[in-house]
Parts: sequence; structure tokens; C-alpha cells
Amino acid sequence: DIQMTQSPSTLSASVGDRVTITCRARQSISSWLAWYQQKPGKAPKLLIYDASSLESGVPSRFSGSGSGTEFTLTISSLQPDDFATYYCQQYKSYWTFGQGTKVEIK
Amino acid sequence: EVQLLESGGGLVQPGGSLRLSCAASGFTFGTYAMTWVRQAPGKGLEWVSTISSRLIGTYYADSVKGRFTISRDNSKNMVYLQMSSLRAEDTAVYFCAKEHGSGYYSSWGQGTLVTVSS
Repeated sequence: DIQMTQSPSTLSASVGDRVTITCRARQSISSWLAWYQQKPGKAPKLLIYDASSLESGVPSRFSGSGSGTEFTLTISSLQPDDFATYYCQQYKSYWTFGQGTKVEIK
Repeated sequence: EVQLLESGGGLVQPGGSLRLSCAASGFTFGTYAMTWVRQAPGKGLEWVSTISSRLIGTYYADSVKGRFTISRDNSKNMVYLQMSSLRAEDTAVYFCAKEHGSGYYSSWGQGTLVTVSS
């Protein structure tokens, strides 16, 4: 299995802040990486796929970058609706999620 | 509009069995792989099982291999997860997801809660 590690586990931020979440893979996964947003009691929502492709309908303040073993999800200007938990997921070999990063109000 | 609707969750005793169902609509079901992902209370997401579009392959997480069986009926637009020898650690919300060809999940159901407890 390819282990995925996210950092930080929790992030405190204010509306308008630029936020960056990191996801590291134990071995190279090329660009086979997705990012999801999940709010309490809801299903995850796809934000980014293939490391940097924005899913249709997702605001452009979300962006993804990276390849190989290190990836980032950036929110350029945090909005009230963005307080949630974010997960990365690799699909290079089977499927594995990171442990999640909770973005909370500072 | 893609819709995925899970059902079949509930309370089951350790060692028991349960079958989850996922009804799909709004897309050409038979051309997409389907997946079950679970989330234990207060925990993160865990991939459970995937079935390919043409029934060529089924895949399982080590934690459920030999106990869970995924299947699909393309004539009914349904995917199933038969769970047996259930353990307390299988307690979770189980989500059905539509897999894009590359392997990420473009649509999710709302989830169904499975509680394994005596």
C-alpha cells in the first residue's frame, strides 16, 4: 500500500487567509492525486484531480500542485464556506487517503 | 444529474452479516467502476472495495479481504457490498462512489451507517 501523509492535521485560519495543505506519498505516484473537501455529516466533494486539475464547478480559489511524492492544496483566500476537512487520495496503485486536515476558524 | 443512494445499513451483532446496496442513476452505469469507502465515527476516509465496470476485477482492502464481497448488477444500476463476520471496527458510515476512469471519485452517495455492537 502507498501511505499518504497530510500536514498539518489541524489548521487555524481567518477569512481571507491564504491556506496551504501538504500531502506526501511514501513512493512516487506521478500526478495520480485527488483532493476532497468534507463537511460534518456530508459526503466528500471532489475538488482537484490529477494533482492540479480543477473539478468543474469548484471555485478558482482552490488550486493543486506537485508531482512525484509531494503535493499541495492551496486556498488563495479562505471563505466562510471553506471551513471543513480536506483529504488527499492517491490512485496510482490501488487507492489510499491521507488522514485529513481540518481547517478551523482562528 | 448523477445520484447514488445507499441503503441497508443498521445495527448488527459481532459476527453477523449485512448487505449494503447502492442505487445509481444519471449516468451510463455499466461503463464506470464503482467503489465503497467507509468512515468510522470521528475518523478519516478508508477505501474498502472497488468493482470494475465489466466485472473483470474486484479489489479489497486488507482489512476486509475474505469477509466482504462487492458485486454489481448492470441491468439494475445497482452495486452491493455483502459484509460478513462483522467486527466492532467495521462500524462506520459506508459511502458508495462513482469512479472516474483514472481512479478518483467524481460522485458520492450520502452514506449509510453500519453499527456493529452487541
